[in-house]
Amino acid sequence: AQSVTQLGSHVSVSEGALVLLRCNYSSSVPPYLFWYVQYPNQGLQLLLKYTTGATLVKGINGFEAEFKKSETSFHLTKPSAHMSDAAEYFCAVSVVSGGYNKLIFGAGTRLAVHP
Amino acid sequence: SAVISQKPSRDICQRGTSLTIQCQVDSQVTMMFWYRQQPGQSLTLIATANQGSEATYESGFVIDKFPISRPNLTFSTLTVSNMSPEDSSIYLCSVAGGNQPQHFGDGTRLSIL
Repeated sequence: AQSVTQLGSHVSVSEGALVLLRCNYSSSVPPYLFWYVQYPNQGLQLLLKYTTGATLVKGINGFEAEFKKSETSFHLTKPSAHMSDAAEYFCAVSVVSGGYNKLIFGAGTRLAVHP
Repeated sequence: SAVISQKPSRDICQRGTSLTIQCQVDSQVTMMFWYRQQPGQSLTLIATANQGSEATYESGFVIDKFPISRPNLTFSTLTVSNMSPEDSSIYLCSVAGGNQPQHFGDGTRLSIL
């Protein structure tokens, strides 16, 4: 069965520092992978997705993620953190069930950015 | 991407009552999903709503507690019935078409007293 593990429920970085949020997945078939961000009192916004093709995926707000099949990982990075990046980040894998795609979410990582 | 409107954005309800949450999309979509996000936790899929057919519920969720309607390709409702404090959560709808990723509404923040 497909699953997602996010290492670190809380990550704290300084403004301008590298952001690294870790995601590992388990899937018996080639996965579709996603990162979503949730700002306070809002829904989820899609940051980026991997389906097929290039393994380094660029998303919005300067984020990118690399699909590494050998490591079953899809870590999210950003070279330089901004205060506005403080939010909850969710990694998700798409699974086919009952003829449609549904998402399995990780537990989430709360990113804090301090001056 | 589709613009999704959820109503109400938040509510405080008495235990034993029911609340219906609406999800409106600005374009026709094939799939609509309802999720629950309990305080400090991740999202759990409640059910998938297809137009013209019964909703498909995930393990642990039943139609009597969470009845869903999907009368057309742009609208769906989720009712939380006979509410208890354990139902205090954020309820989110999302939409997808074909192989497109899911896009989410802003959610309904529900507190039960």
